[in-house]
Amino acid sequence: GAGVSQSPSNKVTEKGKDVELRCDPISGHTALYWYRQRLGQGLEFLIYFQGNSAPDKSGLPSDRFSAERTGESVSTLTIQRTQQEDSAVYLCASSVTPGATALEQYFGPGTRLTVT
Amino acid sequence: AQSVSQHNHHVILSEAASLELGCNYSYGGTVNLFWYVQYPGQHLQLLLKYFSGDPLVKGIKGFEAEFIKSKFSFNLRKPSVQWSDTAEYFCAVKPNSGYSTLTFGKGTMLLVSP
Repeated sequence: GAGVSQSPSNKVTEKGKDVELRCDPISGHTALYWYRQRLGQGLEFLIYFQGNSAPDKSGLPSDRFSAERTGESVSTLTIQRTQQEDSAVYLCASSVTPGATALEQYFGPGTRLTVT
Repeated sequence: AQSVSQHNHHVILSEAASLELGCNYSYGGTVNLFWYVQYPGQHLQLLLKYFSGDPLVKGIKGFEAEFIKSKFSFNLRKPSVQWSDTAEYFCAVKPNSGYSTLTFGKGTMLLVSP
């Protein structure tokens, strides 16, 4: 079946502009996660959704970052007033149930964001 | 909070060499452990995982990892690497206590020369 998809695959934006990144999880996966991977760094957890609610937003680095999920499917990550340090690959993952023991998270291909 | 340390950022091997990538975590309780791999131009995908039972776990493509609880380690091994194993490898840990997030190491880039 289809995996996790993300769009756009690449985004170049000017400093100060807003961007929206989209994630389509695997159908039926109730849990959805956003991560950020900066060059030379591991994956940083940003936010987790269970259904349409976000019980864990602890990883969002500032109030310029927000995310929503509708219809227990698509999620969008919005970054307002982008800064150069926001340049990274933004990865989305989904799993069948949230944080359940050893259940695998399936990752999308990521969106490479470059802020100039 | 848990953390993960991967000892090597870059590893270069010749084909047929043996591989061991180190991973240590810090967390006082029971954990689930994972190795993910990202081949060039591809998604992150699960290589293997440990959640209970036999501490020696086998994954895809001939990889295995051993959980040594006393050392808080989960090193990844392969007896004989191939050029196609060139990829970035990430170790991750998740506390086994209800909801909790995956915490990733910074990754090890493996380059296998033919």
